[in-house]
Amino acid sequence: DIVMTQSPSSLAVSAGETVTINCKSSQSLLYSGNQKNYLAWYQQKPGQSPKLLIYWASTRQSGVPDRFIGSGSGTDFTLTISSVQAEDLAIYYCQQYYDTPYTFGAGTKLELK
Amino acid sequence: QVQLKESGPGLVQPSRTLSLTCTVSGFSLTSYGVSWVRQPPGKGLEWIAAIWSGGSTDYNSALKSRLSISRDTSKSQVLLKMNSLQTEDTAMYFCARSIPALYWGQGVMVTVSS
Repeated sequence: DIVMTQSPSSLAVSAGETVTINCKSSQSLLYSGNQKNYLAWYQQKPGQSPKLLIYWASTRQSGVPDRFIGSGSGTDFTLTISSVQAEDLAIYYCQQYYDTPYTFGAGTKLELK
Repeated sequence: QVQLKESGPGLVQPSRTLSLTCTVSGFSLTSYGVSWVRQPPGKGLEWIAAIWSGGSTDYNSALKSRLSISRDTSKSQVLLKMNSLQTEDTAMYFCARSIPALYWGQGVMVTVSS
């Protein structure tokens, strides 16, 4: 199984700050056939279902604010949230969909400082 | 619009079998796959199983021996069965369309307890 390692596990931020969440996979998620990275990012708020933010490592889902930026390739990926807003306080998960089982990272909890 | 709704028993006894149903609307099960994802209280997400548009299935290798996923396209339902339940199977169970999943159900809480 592909292991997804997220860091940090929690992050305390002030509104307006830029934050970076890291996600590392135990094997490459880059498929040579289409040069796409099979990596997604989700946001989950308390009591809610996860919300898809980013897929193909860097493609923002329609309606997601452009302050959410996904980057990286191969085994190392990053979710950057610029100018954090109060509404961004949530838990963020990466997920690989390169191969089953489609494993998630353990999550990064974004909290208010 | 696309909707998914999970249903099932809230409480199951240890060693028994759990049966969950995901009823979908706004899309066809022959066009999109459906996955099940669970989340124990206060913990992270775990992908459990999927049934794809062609009817093929995939399972979490750690749970495979206890799982069965199927569908009834006439009813727009995906069925998940998990046997030999243990307390650690207590979780919120979500169904979601495809992976990566843009559309999710609201989840159903399953508690394994005697």
